[in-house]
Amino acid sequence: EAQVTQNPRYLITVTGKKLTVTCSQNMNHEYMSWYRQDPGLGLRQIYYSMNVEVTDKGDVPEGYKVSRKEKRNFPLILESPSPNQTSLYFCASSPRPGSEAFFGQGTRLTVV
Amino acid sequence: AQTVTQSQPEMSVQEAETVTLSCTYDTSESDYYLFWYKQPPSRQMILVIRQEAYKQQNATENRFSVNFQKAAKSFSLKISDSQLGDAAMYFCAYRSPSQTQGGSEKLVFGKGTKLTVNP
Repeated sequence: EAQVTQNPRYLITVTGKKLTVTCSQNMNHEYMSWYRQDPGLGLRQIYYSMNVEVTDKGDVPEGYKVSRKEKRNFPLILESPSPNQTSLYFCASSPRPGSEAFFGQGTRLTVV
Repeated sequence: AQTVTQSQPEMSVQEAETVTLSCTYDTSESDYYLFWYKQPPSRQMILVIRQEAYKQQNATENRFSVNFQKAAKSFSLKISDSQLGDAAMYFCAYRSPSQTQGGSEKLVFGKGTKLTVNP
């Protein structure tokens, strides 16, 4: 089944403890992105990747890192999480410019 | 920068009735893509419908159709014969053309409209 898989689905962590949210797609898509969703703000892009080893900042990149060492994986790294990073996170992939994005199931992150 | 506005934070509709969700956007580009996504309580983001700006014909997908008014920069979603399963958050989204055309690989989302379907 074609899908984007995020792990974990839920995560509670403490301020300052490094964490990684994984994202994997099995559709051979070139493009991958990370978004965060906050009430009343919709979804905002954190980082995106056009291809392996090609990444760029989105609208809200502060406090996040990403890497794209292989086509299928695009992990999101929070080196020192803070409570303002408590949010719902989505990974998405798309095959070409202008196409729709296929989303993962979301990761609910709480930083205390 | 492009912006997307959904002016209705909440809407409700009776089962089997028709409802229209509004979306306007601001852009200086002539070619772009517009989407409606549905987010049910499961949180999954599900594509409802897609429209390419260069196509004059309004997109239709079963009970879902859009009214795309390019000059007015309006992209409303009409849901006909509403069903209980249509209850969800609906997000309008804008995507620029490819980066080689000066665009970016980014979806710009509106803040969403929460749709309630009453039995």
